[in-house]
Parts: sequence; C-alpha cells; structure tokens
Amino acid sequence: GPKVLQIPSHQIIDMGQMVTLNCDPVSNHLYFYWYKQILGQQMEFLVNFYNGKVMEKSKLFKDQFSVERPDGSYFTLKIQPTALEDSAVYFCASSSYRGQDTQYFGPGTRLLVL
Amino acid sequence: GEQVEQLPSILRVQEGSSASINCTYENSASNYFPWYKQEPGENPKLIIDIRSNMERKQTQGLIVLLDKKAKRFSLHITDTQPGDSAMYFCAANSNNRIFFGDGTQLVVKP
Repeated sequence: GPKVLQIPSHQIIDMGQMVTLNCDPVSNHLYFYWYKQILGQQMEFLVNFYNGKVMEKSKLFKDQFSVERPDGSYFTLKIQPTALEDSAVYFCASSSYRGQDTQYFGPGTRLLVL
Repeated sequence: GEQVEQLPSILRVQEGSSASINCTYENSASNYFPWYKQEPGENPKLIIDIRSNMERKQTQGLIVLLDKKAKRFSLHITDTQPGDSAMYFCAANSNNRIFFGDGTQLVVKP
C-alpha cells in the first residue's frame, strides 16, 4: 500500500534543545498530519496541514511546535525548545482528501527528551 | 478524543472465539469510519473501513457494522488468533477531520 516515511526513527536529545522530525508523505497526497502517542495510549491529534498552511491544531500543539513543508520536500515538525513531556512517538500521516479519505501513517519517530 | 468513544479499553478473549469492539460518534454528518490495528512498536495500519452508504462490510474475518441512527459502529473479529492481539482504534470523520477513539487493547489467549 501507500508508504509514508519518517526520519529519524529514533531521536534522543537534551531538554531545551531543538528537534526536527521529518516526514515524506505519499507522493500524490495533499493533506498532512502529525499525531503524538505516549506508549500504549491513544493517538492524539496535533495538527493538519494543507497547501502550505496549518488548517487545524489541537491544544497539544504548543507554541514551541511548528510545521512546514518547504517546496514540496519533507513535511516537518519542529519543537523548539523541547520539554520532558514531549517524549513520545510522533506519527506523520497523509491523505488525499481531508477527513473523508484514508490516512496512511508513517512508522513513527520515537523521541526521548532527557 | 471526545468525539469518538470506544469500548472496551481492554478485551481478553480465548483463541478461536470472537471479539467485538464498539464505538459511538457525535456528529450525525460523519460518513467515513476507518479501523486501525496497531501492533507493539509499529504504526497504525488500516484494516477495514466503512462509509455511511453501507450498514455492513466484511473482509478476511473482519466485520464492521454501522448504525447511523444510533451513531454507533463496531468491529467484530471472528475466530480470533494470537496474531490478532494488538491495539485497535476506531475513527470517524467530522468537520473535515478524523477523530480517533482511545483504543482497545485486544489480547487473544492461546
């Protein structure tokens, strides 16, 4: 099936540092999403993104978070500065249409903030 | 998410029996209901979905039912196997977003 790629698979950083998580969405998809999942718990929506803009974000999408997709390259989630509670698995997803089509998830980036 | 309620949170069944997971949603305009399976350390993978023009869909030992009047949908796994042990998420679309349930941890005991 369609593949979403995420780089890196794991990242360990010190609290206060910046981190950038990269997502390579399915090639013809137009809508992109980030979710946060703490081990064994629910998928928590962070943000969705279309046509270069944030369409919707949740309360979890703090001011320290930002997303962009410069020139059709990676869809990125940047956290600056990081906090201990940012430790989680971050999943990227993409879909053709917003809200009415299958979202395909990447393998996730496991972020550990020390 | 509060827009989609999912029960139970944990479900333990004996191998060979069936397992049922139930979800309710809030927005009567929701018309797309995917189900995802997530194994430990893996990403969620779509296993089956149903749209509002159907009441029932079946594929490879999975059955989904949709009751639009009650705003309820469910996943039924027939003849469960140990390989079915995983976290399962239901989801529903609303206002151009997909809302996920909190997940059901299915444990199939051999």
